[in-house]
Amino acid sequence: GAVVSQHPSRVICKSGTSVKIECRSLDFQATTMFWYRQFPKQSLMLMATSNEGSKATYEQGVEKDKFLINHASLTLSTLTVTSAHPEDSSFYICSASDRYTEAFFGQGTRLTVV
Amino acid sequence: AQTVTQSQPEMSVQEAETVTLSCTYDTSENNYYLFWYKQPPSRQMILVIRQEAYKQQNATENRFSVNFQKAAKSFSLKISDSQLGDTAMYFCAFMTLNQGGKLIFGQGTELSVKP
Repeated sequence: GAVVSQHPSRVICKSGTSVKIECRSLDFQATTMFWYRQFPKQSLMLMATSNEGSKATYEQGVEKDKFLINHASLTLSTLTVTSAHPEDSSFYICSASDRYTEAFFGQGTRLTVV
Repeated sequence: AQTVTQSQPEMSVQEAETVTLSCTYDTSENNYYLFWYKQPPSRQMILVIRQEAYKQQNATENRFSVNFQKAAKSFSLKISDSQLGDTAMYFCAFMTLNQGGKLIFGQGTELSVKP
């Protein structure tokens, strides 16, 4: 199957700072990528759809100014958590699809804001 | 809007036994995909099995099989000969054909396999 790589796997940042998470499709081009957030023992909640060359589409209730998404190339989408606060601590995971018949996931990023 | 429901937050099974995880979904689409994903403590999402809605035959992958009832909008996962390594969160997920790979997930079932 196709490979999606996410970096970093774990990050700790201070409250008020910003942190960037990268999601790369390694062996296919992804015009669309997805960002999910997951709290412990809970399901994956879709945050936004990242579209190459255009603005991201955010799910209802997700602050677009807080979670900035940039999909500047066909293999890279980035999620920047701006002015992070402890409540932004969570597990973030991206996915992409090569033929829209199966999704491939990055390894996820555990964000801790202190 | 599509929804996916897993009504069993936790389940346990003895090693070597069989367990069935339930999933129901709601959609007005006729063509779509259904998936079961496994998420072990590493939190890496692992595809267990996939079912195309247009296929009547139930998908199987070694010890994993599904019971797909399209009219009832039901998609259960059966794990045979359960192994300790099957201990994980299991998510049922739905994908339509025209949304670029977007998945809608159920709430998850935490499965514990006991020795």
